[in-house]
Amino acid sequence: DSGVTQTPKHLITATGQRVTLRCSPRSGDLSVYWYQQSLDQGLQFLIQYYNGEERAKGNILERFSAQQFPDLHSELNLSSLELGDSALYFCASSGGRETGNTGELFFGEGSRLTVL
Amino acid sequence: AQSVTQLGSHVSVSEGALVLLRCNYSSSVPPYLFWYVQYPNQGLQLLLKYTTGATLVKGINGFEAEFKKSETSFHLTKPSAHMSDAAEYFCAVTEGGYSTLTFGKGTMLLVSP
Repeated sequence: DSGVTQTPKHLITATGQRVTLRCSPRSGDLSVYWYQQSLDQGLQFLIQYYNGEERAKGNILERFSAQQFPDLHSELNLSSLELGDSALYFCASSGGRETGNTGELFFGEGSRLTVL
Repeated sequence: AQSVTQLGSHVSVSEGALVLLRCNYSSSVPPYLFWYVQYPNQGLQLLLKYTTGATLVKGINGFEAEFKKSETSFHLTKPSAHMSDAAEYFCAVTEGGYSTLTFGKGTMLLVSP
């Protein structure tokens, strides 16, 4: 058990819909990262938050947004869903020192999104 | 920009045989290198990491990797494969500072009896 909790574990929805994925980081971790894993693209970094502030942005579509709340949990919002958005979405956390990430990421078990 | 290339999307070995998973990286500064493992229906778990110092790094479950700067490689090895090693393995790199972790596309390790 990594200590990172993601909900829901599975989600099936239709094209055009909007979903929210939730992540609770390990106790004490300030940084939260979102990754998308698909067969064709592999593991793609989406976005990082540190203590409520956006720290880094990767290949995140404009239809997607995220935020980190004062209690440090994070949500990833996916809207106007397309078939190609079907993937496993991982949240990870780390100590997130101000100097950046040089250490281990702790991953949740992921949220599997299926868009029909 | 940093990047990672893992040679071979699938590697098959027999139980007891040597495991060798290849990883080459690109980085404009001295990198920090990682190997993660993903078992079915689970998240990624750190196997080992190289930051500075000794270039041969030992990890969990008998795995080790050697950082070779001249070859820009960080290959993962294990002398004797077990059935329980069957999983997907990801090599990752970060340049530290505000750089994020970039993953390779992964190598699925298949272990046959």
